[in-house]
Amino acid sequence: QKEVEQNSGPLSVPEGAIASLNCTYSDRGSQSFFWYRQYSGKSPELIMSIYSNGDKEDGRFTAQLNKASQYVSLLIRDSQPSDSATYLCAVVRSSGDKLTFGTGTRLAVRP
Amino acid sequence: DAGVIQSPRHEVTEMGQEVTLRCKPISGHDYLFWYRQTMMRGLELLIYFNNNVPIDDSGMPEDRFSAKMPNASFSTLKIQPSEPRDSAVYFCASSQGTSAANEKLFFGSGTQLSVL
Repeated sequence: QKEVEQNSGPLSVPEGAIASLNCTYSDRGSQSFFWYRQYSGKSPELIMSIYSNGDKEDGRFTAQLNKASQYVSLLIRDSQPSDSATYLCAVVRSSGDKLTFGTGTRLAVRP
Repeated sequence: DAGVIQSPRHEVTEMGQEVTLRCKPISGHDYLFWYRQTMMRGLELLIYFNNNVPIDDSGMPEDRFSAKMPNASFSTLKIQPSEPRDSAVYFCASSQGTSAANEKLFFGSGTQLSVL
C-alpha cells in the first residue's frame, strides 16, 4: 500500500463548479497534511495546510481532514480554468521527519 | 529574494556520463531538500540537509547518487555514471524553521534530466 494515494485523474469539471480532490494515507499517526498545486512544467507551490480534524477554508479553497478515516480532501469552489493543474497531497508521517507526496490528481476546468 | 535557484534547467547526456545538478537555496533557510519527480513514482525525497549537514539520505536510489552542501548557499546532486532510468525532473527545495517536514517548502524551477 502506498503511503499517500491519490486518483491520478484527470478530473474534469465545468467552470464555476466545485472540484473535489481526495487523498488517503496509510500511517494512522500522520501529523500534518498539505496540498500543493503544480502547473504543467512548473514547480509545486503550497496552497493549503491542515493539522486537525474538520474543515479549513481559505478563499475558494477548503481542506477537509478526517483522521479516523485517514482521509484528506481539497474542495475548490467556483472552479476557474486557471485552476487547471496537478494537485499534490503531502503528509507528514508519525515519525515527523519526512513529507511524503502522493502522485497527484490532474484537474481540468472546462470553460 | 530570487527564490530557490537551480541549474541547469535542462540537461541531456549520454549513459555513463557524470551529471551535476546545482542549487542555491533561499537565504536564511535552514533546510535543503532534493526531490526527483517521475510520472510513475511522483515526487520522491532523495536527501535533505539541515544547516549544511546531511540528515537523511535513505531516498538516494544507489551509490551512483551523491549530494553535498559545502556551505549555506550551495548544494550539488551528482550522478555518476548516469543511466537512462535516471531521466526525471529533479527539484531542489528549501525551508526555514525547526522541522524538516512541517514547514512550507519553496521549490526551485527544477532540472529536466534526459539520459540517452
